[in-house]
Amino acid sequence: QSALTQPPSASGSPGQSVTISCTGTSSDIGSYNYVSWYQQRPGKVPNLLIYDVIKRPSGVPDRFSGSKSGNTASLTVAGLHLEDEADYYCSSYAGSDKGEIFGGGTKLTVL
Amino acid sequence: EVQLAQSGAEVKKAGESLKISCKGSGYNFTNYWLGWVRQKPGKGLEWMGIMYPADSDARYSPSFQGQVTISTDNSISTAYLQWNSLQASDTATYYCARLREMATIGFGYWGQGTLVTVSS
Repeated sequence: QSALTQPPSASGSPGQSVTISCTGTSSDIGSYNYVSWYQQRPGKVPNLLIYDVIKRPSGVPDRFSGSKSGNTASLTVAGLHLEDEADYYCSSYAGSDKGEIFGGGTKLTVL
Repeated sequence: EVQLAQSGAEVKKAGESLKISCKGSGYNFTNYWLGWVRQKPGKGLEWMGIMYPADSDARYSPSFQGQVTISTDNSISTAYLQWNSLQASDTATYYCARLREMATIGFGYWGQGTLVTVSS
């Protein structure tokens, strides 16, 4: 079962914006509006940032936004803060026989 | 407050069996899908499977089907992840996580993780 494809790394300076892509197929991202994004700081538990492509759980800053086009989803972090330095994972629903699949993760460095 | 409390770290030998636990509190345990996610050292997240406690409906990733068993004991609001025969490649941190209300995917609540170390 192939994971979704994310760039291994991304970077930006404080105050800048960065976008992380997540590429799947017509069987997962392309078929469902069920894409989530998680943030995992070093040594910490993953934290849900985005669900259903564009929605934010309460408590997540609106600097974090999600989108989708075709088989590719994206996470944009606007106005980078130093504490945004973390690993970011996308996930997508892939049908009842496969459940949820994750991307390989993107390490975001805030320079 | 929703909380998921996982059992402590385990050190096992290849071929041994293991069952780790995840106790839910602060919500109606039977009404929310609860899943398991693997993270090998220095690696990414892997979705293993999920169960709806109310009817024990379990779904597994093809990668983990037949390798592990997910179960629950609703009387004590606890979910389990079980192996019959561990391998060194099972060394990882295992997280239990609960879906958000009415969600298809998207784990909104996570346990603290259980580190499983398997020696060959």
